[in-house]
Amino acid sequence: NAGVTQTPKFQVLKTGQSMTLQCAQDMNHEYMSWYRQDPGMGLRLIHYSVGAGITDQGEVPNGYNVSRSTTEDFPLRLLSAAPSQTSVYFCASGEFEAFFGQGTRLTVV
Amino acid sequence: SQQGEEDPQALSIQEGENATMNCSYKTSINNLQWYRQNSGRGLVHLILIRSNEREKHSGRLRVTLDTSKKSSSLLITASRAADTASYFCASDTGRRALTFGSGTRLQVQP
Repeated sequence: NAGVTQTPKFQVLKTGQSMTLQCAQDMNHEYMSWYRQDPGMGLRLIHYSVGAGITDQGEVPNGYNVSRSTTEDFPLRLLSAAPSQTSVYFCASGEFEAFFGQGTRLTVV
Repeated sequence: SQQGEEDPQALSIQEGENATMNCSYKTSINNLQWYRQNSGRGLVHLILIRSNEREKHSGRLRVTLDTSKKSSSLLITASRAADTASYFCASDTGRRALTFGSGTRLQVQP
């Protein structure tokens, strides 16, 4: 039972670089979401998807893009990384009981 | 802005004692959920309470919900060192997105 798999676990980027955080789930959930977690601020929703081909913005979408071509995968793209995007990123699957990945710790220098 | 706010921010108790954490939220909800996060790990779902429920139990967990006060509490009875973690409430307002609070850090001393 893999559940939700996030890669990579750690990443260091230079300002202006781009990267994609991968997220895959094997529970056949229609609903998937991305959060960032900063110290003392809990989790904030970046983007979410209610099914393949359908995405929507959350609380803090600026600087991030998503797409949902399959039910299983929901990648998060940073087009031009900024130091303010240094955070821990979590992907989650499921709506009424969210299953979380182990997180990606991203540092932008 | 945070929909949910937990109180206290940090709590330290002895093993065997009960731990109570509170959560307040701002807008009407369909349900409220509680999650646990161990250090450096992802969140794990603990319990969901619907807006028409007032109390729910799961093992050593007891959750209450007061929609008139827009608040919820999580009680962990007979705590264990393994309960040491951060606990978050998350409110579902029906907008297809969970809104998390800032969490309570629980330390259970053996």
